[in-house]
Amino acid sequence: GAVVSQHPSWVICKSGTSVKIECRSLDFQATTMFWYRQFPKQSLMLMATSNEGSKATYEQGVEKDKFLINHASLTLSTLTVTSAHPEDSSFYICSARSLAESSYEQYFGPGTRLTVT
Amino acid sequence: DAKTTQPTSMDCAEGRAANLPCNHSTISGNEYVYWYRQIHSQGPQYIIHGLKNNETNEMASLIITEDRKSSTLILPHATLRDTAVYYCIVGNNAGNMLTFGGGTRLMVKP
Repeated sequence: GAVVSQHPSWVICKSGTSVKIECRSLDFQATTMFWYRQFPKQSLMLMATSNEGSKATYEQGVEKDKFLINHASLTLSTLTVTSAHPEDSSFYICSARSLAESSYEQYFGPGTRLTVT
Repeated sequence: DAKTTQPTSMDCAEGRAANLPCNHSTISGNEYVYWYRQIHSQGPQYIIHGLKNNETNEMASLIITEDRKSSTLILPHATLRDTAVYYCIVGNNAGNMLTFGGGTRLMVKP
């Protein structure tokens, strides 16, 4: 099956610094990738939809200047958390939809756990 | 997107069938029913999806009622590794984002 990777799998950073998370589709091309955030014991919340070569679409309440998304190629999307604060500590998960799949199954990455101290 | 209602948690004995219900009474004609599961601290894993007919794959079976207002995911022989949160999601086939509800926390016990 299709594989989506994320890097890093976990990261600890100091308050005020920026952190970049990569999401890659390893064996397929994805025009659309999605970024989710999950707090402990809660469900996944969609943050933004990332389309290759265009600006991301952010969900209501998600600050686009704080969570920078770049989808520069059909296999890579990045999420940068700028000026991170402890409340940004969360599990960040990306998913990708294959160009070739007619059923539009979404493939999820393993997630990145961010801890801001 | 139509909303779904699932029980918060369920238990199942190892080796027995796990039947996870989902209500989606406001589902529209072009919306599919998707099931994903999330094992602790991992990304969600696709299980199965369907539109009208019952579906079966190597992981599970999906039974959709005739009026499409509810469905049941069946894990025929649950193992301890099936312990996870199971999400029932409805969405169209346009590949749009998936809206996750609370899911059902399935605990498979020895």
